[in-house]
Amino acid sequence: EDQVTQSPEALRLQEGESSSLNCSYTVSGLRGLFWYRQDPGKGPEFLFTLYSAGEEKEKERLKATLTKKESFLHITAPKPEDSATYLCAVQAIRGQNFVFGPGTRLSVLP
Amino acid sequence: DSGVTQTPKHLITATGQRVTLRCSPRSGDLSVYWYQQSLDQGLQFLIQYYNGEERAKGNILERFSAQQFPDLHSELNLSSLELGDSALYFCASSRKREYNIDTQYFGPGTRLTVL
Repeated sequence: EDQVTQSPEALRLQEGESSSLNCSYTVSGLRGLFWYRQDPGKGPEFLFTLYSAGEEKEKERLKATLTKKESFLHITAPKPEDSATYLCAVQAIRGQNFVFGPGTRLSVLP
Repeated sequence: DSGVTQTPKHLITATGQRVTLRCSPRSGDLSVYWYQQSLDQGLQFLIQYYNGEERAKGNILERFSAQQFPDLHSELNLSSLELGDSALYFCASSRKREYNIDTQYFGPGTRLTVL
């Protein structure tokens, strides 16, 4: 069964304090790994798609990387507006369903 | 704005009742996915439709059903509602052919409260 875990469950950072969020997955053949940002009560907002180990993508203060067993979302010099829940999802080769992790709740304090 | 629309935004109803949630996908998207998000369970995949046909089922209860119409909008029907059905329901859509990797774009959700 495909599984996704994320750590930490919650993270509090001071503004400007860089850190990384982890997404570990177990899937029999990875088609793609996705990162989303979700604000309270709103729909997940797409950030990145990663297809193969070694791939990296960047957007503003965020950088996502992928290995064969996990993905990291690096946040450089975060700002309070980066506060949100960050969700990781995987799609297996044999299907189309996304399996989502439980998310990491990030709070960036001014 | 993802381009996916959902109505209504909020829905308050009583146990035992039946409700219908509506989703319009992004222009050109053929696949529609439904998810349930409750506080203690995260995002759970319910069902997927591709160009009008059911393609995949997840943890969808028998009391729930969905369909996708010729104009590609989709409806999720929830019946015999229970308190535990209170949750956020999200619709997502994607563009490409089935079985290809494709990003899902989410709507703003419908918050269902069952009293």
